Amino acid sequence: AQKVTQAQTEISVVEKEDVTLDCVYETRDTTYYLFWYKQPPSGELVFLIRRNSFDEQNEISGRYSWNFQKSTSSFNFTITASQVVDSAVYFCALSLNSGYSTLTFGKGTMLLVSP
Amino acid sequence: DAGVTQSPTHLIKTRGQQVTLRCSPKSGHDTVSWYQQALGQGPQFIFQYYEEEERQRGNFPDRFSGHQFPNYSSELNVNALLLGDSALYLCASSYTGTSGYNEQFFGPGTRLTVL
Repeated sequence: AQKVTQAQTEISVVEKEDVTLDCVYETRDTTYYLFWYKQPPSGELVFLIRRNSFDEQNEISGRYSWNFQKSTSSFNFTITASQVVDSAVYFCALSLNSGYSTLTFGKGTMLLVSP
Repeated sequence: DAGVTQSPTHLIKTRGQQVTLRCSPKSGHDTVSWYQQALGQGPQFIFQYYEEEERQRGNFPDRFSGHQFPNYSSELNVNALLLGDSALYLCASSYTGTSGYNEQFFGPGTRLTVL
């Protein structure tokens, strides 16, 4: 069975600080997909990124960047120069290449960015 | 093009009652998955419907059942409600393609409170 661990329950930073959210996953499959979602107080899940297990290139999108390391089974998410609007719960998730595409989520990390 | 819609937005029930939640998938999608998100937790997969049949199920008791209609919309039914069933219920739709990952699109959720 697969598992996603987000050890950081809550992180508080001051605006403009950089922050990294950790994600460690477990699976015996060699083909899988990793995700990050943002959940603001409204509750709706906002998709941020998907990576497949064969693509270990780091990705940058504006202030967001992702570091995927298969050797340590980690898929960490960094927000550079954080803003108050980044305050939300962030979820890391895993999906196998089974055709069903169901997601296994971590417990989430609540990020609080204060002005 | 409307995205995934869910109804109702909020619902309050008492222990022992039964509840039905509804989901309309994104246009062109034929698969619906349901997730339960308890307070402070990540979403947990309940089950997935495709071609009007349940084709995958998570670790949830038989009190949780569902249905998919010919127009691909879906219902989640929960019988004999327990206090622990209080959660945000998320619906995700996708198109079952031939291989790889079938992108999940999430609805805004239904918040169920059991008193």
